[in-house]
Amino acid sequence: AQSVTQLDSHVSVSEGTPVLLRCNYSSSYSPSLFWYVQHPNKGLQLLLKYTSAATLVKGINGFEAEFKKSETSFHLTKPSAHMSDAAEYFCVVSVLFGNEKLTFGTGTRLTIIP
Amino acid sequence: DTGVSQDPRHKITKRGQNVTFRCDPISEHNRLYWYRQTLGQGPEFLTYFQNEAQLEKSRLLSDRFSAERPKGSFSTLEIQRTEQGDSAMYLCASSLADGNYGYTFGSGTRLTVV
Repeated sequence: AQSVTQLDSHVSVSEGTPVLLRCNYSSSYSPSLFWYVQHPNKGLQLLLKYTSAATLVKGINGFEAEFKKSETSFHLTKPSAHMSDAAEYFCVVSVLFGNEKLTFGTGTRLTIIP
Repeated sequence: DTGVSQDPRHKITKRGQNVTFRCDPISEHNRLYWYRQTLGQGPEFLTYFQNEAQLEKSRLLSDRFSAERPKGSFSTLEIQRTEQGDSAMYLCASSLADGNYGYTFGSGTRLTVV
């Protein structure tokens, strides 16, 4: 069985300040981990993915995440928030092999304060 | 190729009616997935196809739900005798079965049962 827990349902940051969205995972096998973003009325977009290569993963739009096996965490960070980052963010887990079915967290809504 | 297309974008139906949604995946993708997203939650896996074969169904997919993918191209998801609890966003995604998790999501069909 696999699951993810997003520790914050809502995060607010000021424009230009760092962003931290927290995610813990649980998986019986070596996990693949992802962050997806969902803007209103738009489809889910992949930000970045970890599939057992480098533990620090760089994604699009300046986001990155670090896989920490000892802490079972996969937190998403960005050094400087932009107004266009306001959206819903999902942490996602899957097993490395098989049907590639995704298990989503409940989401973190990121609000950017001008 | 314009990505994954879903039709309709919105559907309002009366309780007890049948509805059918369509998904057109990226043409070279052999896997197609259906997910359901209710308000305030992350998407949940419903079912997936590899080519025309339906390989897994979630327990969420009651016997009122049926999905098909004739000829391994587009897919349809039908809900019979709709209930208010079926109100949700139904998301389709496609990928190549190459272990790279190259998912592309559609924008979804929002179903409202009144």
